Amino acid sequence: DVKVTQSSRYLVKRTGEKVFLECVQDMDHENMFWYRQDPGLGLRLIYFSYDVKMKEKGDIPEGYSVSREKKERFSLILESASTNQTSMYLCASSWGGTANTEAFFGQGTRLTVV
Amino acid sequence: QQQVKQSPQSLIVQKGGISIINCAYENTAFDYFPWYQQFPGKGPALLIAIRPDVSGKKEGRFTISFNKSAKQFSLHIMDSQPGDSATYFCAAIRDQTGANNLFFGTGTRLTVIP
Repeated sequence: DVKVTQSSRYLVKRTGEKVFLECVQDMDHENMFWYRQDPGLGLRLIYFSYDVKMKEKGDIPEGYSVSREKKERFSLILESASTNQTSMYLCASSWGGTANTEAFFGQGTRLTVV
Repeated sequence: QQQVKQSPQSLIVQKGGISIINCAYENTAFDYFPWYQQFPGKGPALLIAIRPDVSGKKEGRFTISFNKSAKQFSLHIMDSQPGDSATYFCAAIRDQTGANNLFFGTGTRLTVIP
């Protein structure tokens, strides 16, 4: 079974802190994604990566950055956390380039910024 | 611009009834259409998926109907059960490397009343 593991289920951080959310997948997938999920707003793409060190901005990249130094690991960084970044964060991975391949999600990280 | 439009935003169905969720897309490059089911506090998980060369697919109580000419597809949940209460996302995938190839609908929150 494909496994996408996010490092924390719940996280509480203070305003202004630098926050790292880690995601690891074990299926050698090329593509990795970070989404933010808020009530009524669906899944909003923050960043996408299709290869090591390659990244593409999604719909809401402001206030976030990412790092992909190894194929299996994709990190989301909140440079200076703010209360409006309180949300559920979801990581996903998929095979690249070929259709007929769905994305697999981690269990999510519920981040609260106080 | 929303690549995949999903409706309704929320749905309440009596136990034993049929739940129907609709999605529409414009980009004819999409060639794989998965549906995801998400329970509260969990990441989305693949439920059922279809390619556009077939008009429908059935897995247990879950059926996808697909209308390629209308660029629409729907999820039908037959004999809906309280355990089906979840948020459902449709998605569309295109065969593309080096760029995001996965697009989600905004989600439907289904509540099945006992």
